[in-house]
Amino acid sequence: NAGVTQTPKFRVLKTGQSMTLLCAQDMNHEYMYWYRQDPGMGLRLIHYSVGEGTTAKGEVPDGYNVSRLKKQNFLLGLESAAPSQTSVYFCASSRLAGLNGNEQFFGPGTRLTVL
Amino acid sequence: SQQGEEDPQALSIQEGENATMNCSYKTSINNLQWYRQNSGRGLVHLILIRSNEREKHSGRLRVTLDTSKKSSSLLITASRAADTASYFCATAHGGATNKLIFGTGTLLAVQP
Repeated sequence: NAGVTQTPKFRVLKTGQSMTLLCAQDMNHEYMYWYRQDPGMGLRLIHYSVGEGTTAKGEVPDGYNVSRLKKQNFLLGLESAAPSQTSVYFCASSRLAGLNGNEQFFGPGTRLTVL
Repeated sequence: SQQGEEDPQALSIQEGENATMNCSYKTSINNLQWYRQNSGRGLVHLILIRSNEREKHSGRLRVTLDTSKKSSSLLITASRAADTASYFCATAHGGATNKLIFGTGTLLAVQP
């Protein structure tokens, strides 16, 4: 199993350009998440999905959109990139939460620079 | 922000020594998890401790949880150079979404 994969690994954008980050998981997980990681800030949740066709906002959703058309894929879109969106983006997935919660499995990340 | 705090921000030790890092959080939890991140890589889950547990072990890892103080600690015994990484605590606060709130991390350097 590949686990959680992300494409692309690196990207440089100019202010105002758009792009889509793709996350794929082959573990049949119900839940998927997009985080951004900035120096000294830890990880912050952008958007998440609890199942195919459903998405919800996380802690820092402004400037991003997401879609989950297939259970195994979770797309993160930037419609008009800004320098403040320069960050490392991580996708994660997990099984159903159950009573006690579950671990999340992370992808390798996408390093995005917006000039 | 609901982010937890980790202490210390950075820690440097010699191989064979023990490393202890602490995590504090703000609101009641369902469980607390620890993750490791090697430089330039994704996070890897280490251990999960439920709110009704006080201590948990996994190999060289020992995690404690004190819900009255809203804090947790991660102890790595007999550290190795390969343990060099950033360590993050993450808290789950219930609900059906399995969302996590991550701390700011501790950067551990183990000198050979």
